[in-house]
Amino acid sequence: GAGVSQSPSNKVTEKGKDVELRCDPISGHTALYWYRQSLGQGLEFLIYFQGNSAPDKSGLPSDRFSAERTGGSVSTLTIQRTQQEDSAVYLCASSPPRTSGRAEQFFGPGTRLTVL
Amino acid sequence: ILNVEQSPQSLHVQEGDSTNFTCSFPSSNFYALHWYRWETAKSPEALFVMTLNGDEKKKGRISATLNTKEGYSYLYIKGSQPEDSATYLCAFPSNTGKLIFGQGTTLQVKP
Repeated sequence: GAGVSQSPSNKVTEKGKDVELRCDPISGHTALYWYRQSLGQGLEFLIYFQGNSAPDKSGLPSDRFSAERTGGSVSTLTIQRTQQEDSAVYLCASSPPRTSGRAEQFFGPGTRLTVL
Repeated sequence: ILNVEQSPQSLHVQEGDSTNFTCSFPSSNFYALHWYRWETAKSPEALFVMTLNGDEKKKGRISATLNTKEGYSYLYIKGSQPEDSATYLCAFPSNTGKLIFGQGTTLQVKP
């Protein structure tokens, strides 16, 4: 079956421009996460959506970052006024509705963002 | 604040060596413990989700054990191969279900 998909796979932008990254989770998955991996770094949590609950935005690094999840499915991560330090691989993951964190996460292939 | 600690941070072994690394997590309010494998230029993939104290899971040459009372899990790789080179992440869910990942153990297996 279809896995988590992300688009675009690569994005090169100029400093100061806005970018939108898209994530299509696996159908029926209620939890959706955004992470990023900067060069030489580990997995950095950005935001977590779970069903209809208010999203956990505690990992967003600045107010230039925002994310939406429409209709409980597709999610868009928006970065406004991009900076060079925003360059990273942005990963999306989803997991099925199993209680208490027992459901494994399925990761998408990522979007590589380069800010010139 | 939930803290998930992994050690060592990195490991270099020779092909054929067996190795193991540790994940430490809060022993209170345990729900589950996840292990993921993250190869370079790929996305993380789940290895195991462990839920029971004393549980042991196995996938090929990789196995994991779980001690929820003392808050640790071990991941073992028997007879390491170069294709096992990756970063191994453990993760622990918070009370909202959000997974808290450790920083990972990066394994390099030399042929």
